[in-house]
Amino acid sequence: GAVVSQHPSRVICKSGTSVKIECRSLDFQATTMFWYRQFPKQSLMLMATSNEGSKATYEQGVEKDKFLINHASLTLSTLTVTSAHPEDSSFYICSAVRQGRESGEKLFFGSGTQLSVL
Amino acid sequence: AQRVTQPEKLLSVFKGAPVELKCNYSYSGSPELFWYVQYSRQRLQLLLRHISRESIKGFTADLNKGETSFHLKKPFAQEEDSAMYYCALRKDSSYKLIFGSGTRLLVRP
Repeated sequence: GAVVSQHPSRVICKSGTSVKIECRSLDFQATTMFWYRQFPKQSLMLMATSNEGSKATYEQGVEKDKFLINHASLTLSTLTVTSAHPEDSSFYICSAVRQGRESGEKLFFGSGTQLSVL
Repeated sequence: AQRVTQPEKLLSVFKGAPVELKCNYSYSGSPELFWYVQYSRQRLQLLLRHISRESIKGFTADLNKGETSFHLKKPFAQEEDSAMYYCALRKDSSYKLIFGSGTRLLVRP
């Protein structure tokens, strides 16, 4: 089956530093990827849609200058949390859309990144 | 407003008992609904989608537009069904999903 690789799985950083999270589609090309955020015992909240070759579209309330998204290739999207603060500590999950000729569209998820900002 | 509600945070049943995980939605258009499952230490994966009308691992879910519900059911729960289950609504053609808060299913031996 299709695999979406997310790296790192866990990162601890100091307040004020920036952290980059990578999301790769390993065996398919993904023109569209999504970034979600999940707080403990809460639901996944969509942050932004990452579009290959164009600017990301952000959901209401998500700061685009805070959460920089780059989708430079058909297999890689990156989320950079800039000047991280403790309130940015969360579980970040990416997903990628695979287009299938016979199976249609399907969404595959990465394994998530736990960010802890000290 | 578009919303997915899963009223139960935790559902605990004994092995062999029937299971129903509730999901209600609020959506102005024609919805496309999904159930995703997350087993311990694994990533989120698709369990089933209403347009497929299929049964996966013994689970079924029927879209009831009148009650705006998409409850997940299984007649006989197994221990390996223990997991976190999320109901999700597809927001538009771009595959944006709105997730419910999730229900943890615990199947006891």
